[in-house]
Amino acid sequence: QSVLTQPPSASGTPGQRVTISCSGSSSNIGSNSVNWYQQLPGTAPKLLIFGNNQRPSGVPDRFSGSKSGTSASLAISGLQSEDEADYYCAVWDDSLNGLVFGGGTKLTVL
Amino acid sequence: QVQLVQSGAEVKKPGASVKVSCKASGYTFTTYAMHWVRQAPGQRLEWMGWINTGYVNTKYSQKFQGRVTITRDTSASTAYMELTSLRSEDTAVYYCARDGRYCSGGSCQYMGPTIEMDVWGKGTTVTVSS
Repeated sequence: QSVLTQPPSASGTPGQRVTISCSGSSSNIGSNSVNWYQQLPGTAPKLLIFGNNQRPSGVPDRFSGSKSGTSASLAISGLQSEDEADYYCAVWDDSLNGLVFGGGTKLTVL
Repeated sequence: QVQLVQSGAEVKKPGASVKVSCKASGYTFTTYAMHWVRQAPGQRLEWMGWINTGYVNTKYSQKFQGRVTITRDTSASTAYMELTSLRSEDTAVYYCARDGRYCSGGSCQYMGPTIEMDVWGKGTTVTVSS
């Protein structure tokens, strides 16, 4: 059972906006910043969002992150077929004294 | 360009050990720490540990403490992850990933991991089977 809870799946049609949630606790999201990683099929993960809402260079501004209390969200606007991937939230957990990932959300573009 | 090149696939028997390498290029190896992350088939990403490549201090996930050892060879710009007492549940793709924080100088010996993994290797498949 994952310390961080994500919905196993999400879907949307091209052009739509979708949101993926990540629920944690006071020992992780509640006290540390959240990152998001995108994993396209058969490839290594890629850093998508760091510091709750910062995008590395090269990541389109269609991707945005937010955090409130012990939950975080990833929003993807103007959905494109190439966004079809698994998305993982990640955060440092002070109780476990280690980095934890969410269970991942498989995004399908219909 | 910055890249991490990992060693090839491994097949091991239960109880054996495996050592995966990760050779860095395109940047100064000791100025960025390194993480190791694994992913079992169809499963989530799982953090294993981290090494401060400039000063050799490490941090390990509680789950793998005692079974995993992360080392580095600065002359070869290479990090290593060794996992012992392998069991079938260790069948997974093992990734090295660069910690995105740049650090140079004596104060770096006190730093700990960040969660910004900005460059990833392509992964090494380890299969544990009798």
